[in-house]
Amino acid sequence: GAVVSQHPSRVICKSGTSVKIECRSLDFQATTMFWYRQFPKQSLMLMATSNEGSKATYEQGVEKDKFLINHASLTLSTLTVTSAHPEDSSFYICSARNRVRGYEQYFGPGTRLTVT
Amino acid sequence: KNEVEQSPQNLTAQEGEFITINCSYSVGISALHWLQQHPGGGIVSLFMLSSGKKKHGRLIATINIQEKHSSLHITASHPRDSAVYICARNRDDKIIFGKGTRLHILP
Repeated sequence: GAVVSQHPSRVICKSGTSVKIECRSLDFQATTMFWYRQFPKQSLMLMATSNEGSKATYEQGVEKDKFLINHASLTLSTLTVTSAHPEDSSFYICSARNRVRGYEQYFGPGTRLTVT
Repeated sequence: KNEVEQSPQNLTAQEGEFITINCSYSVGISALHWLQQHPGGGIVSLFMLSSGKKKHGRLIATINIQEKHSSLHITASHPRDSAVYICARNRDDKIIFGKGTRLHILP
């Protein structure tokens, strides 16, 4: 089946630094990737939609200058949390849509970010 | 009311029991996902289905499109099945997640 990986799986960083999270589709091409965030005991919430070769579309309330998304190829999207603060500590998950198979989405395992 | 409702919110059962987790949604979908999230946070995609029934090992997922309802069943449950199970509905590109069902299987 389709596989999506994320790297790193866990990261701890100091307040004020930037962190990059990678999302890769390993065995298919993904024209669209999605970034979600999950705070403790809450549902996953969509942050942004990333289309290969174009600017990401951000959901209301998500700061595009803080969460930089780049989708430079059909198999890789990156989320960079800039000037991270403790309130950015969360679980970040990506999913990728298989361009051949319509609206099917495949989820990555997630990245746990802790900002100290 | 959430667009995706799961029940129960929490479930504790003995090892070996048959487990059912339910998911109801309020609008038409292109697909429905069942995800498993372990205590460390990692997400595993269990099923994506748009009709009928799928089976993988001890896990079975069913969906009734007319009734906008899906169930996830676990046969011969085991303590390693303890996790949060999340239902998510996919309509075009938009995915809405349920709040999850926290399952605890006692040895």
